[in-house]
Amino acid sequence: GQNIDQPTEMTATEGAIVQINCTYQTSGFNGLFWYQQHAGEAPTFLSYNVLDGLEEKGRFSSFLSRSKGYSYLLLKELQMKDSASYLCAVSAFSGNTPLVFGKGTRLSVIA
Amino acid sequence: DVKVTQSSRYLVKRTGEKVFLECVQDMDHENMFWYRQDPGLGLRLIYFSYDVKMKEKGDIPEGYSVSREKKERFSLILESASTNQTSMYLCASSSTGGSNEKLFFGSGTQLSVL
Repeated sequence: GQNIDQPTEMTATEGAIVQINCTYQTSGFNGLFWYQQHAGEAPTFLSYNVLDGLEEKGRFSSFLSRSKGYSYLLLKELQMKDSASYLCAVSAFSGNTPLVFGKGTRLSVIA
Repeated sequence: DVKVTQSSRYLVKRTGEKVFLECVQDMDHENMFWYRQDPGLGLRLIYFSYDVKMKEKGDIPEGYSVSREKKERFSLILESASTNQTSMYLCASSSTGGSNEKLFFGSGTQLSVL
């Protein structure tokens, strides 16, 4: 079966750093995605990791360890607009197979 | 930029009605998907399609059907709407290139079945 776990909710302070973890157990692995979803809006793509290591993109970074079935999304210099849900999704197989999504982590940034 | 357009942002229907949710994408993507999103349950895949006239069941297809007569359009049909189908419905598309192709989502349809 396929299983993706991430915390349900997190709270962090404006200007701080927050790390959102994602662990996965899937039949195969062909990459991991992070999406951001503001309340009432569609998810939007943030990052994609297929090799181990850290991918940095501005204030956001994403890390992958395939041997541990583990990823995290790191958000630096938090802003109020970063309050959103963050969805972890795994591509379990190569070719045309749908992504498997976690249930999402709702991040609240407070002043 | 890719645009995925869902025909309605909010929809209210009565139990037993036949409901059509339409989705159109403008980037010639081969792959299209229908999800529903409920609090605490995350995104769940209903149906998907990798080509015209082709469809595959997702994780929760019961009570739904789909139609893909043209490449750019993927319709979700609720044959007889029920209250437990009240949900946010999200359409998405991606190009063929392996499953590392990112999904582009529409803005969603909030369906209420009374």
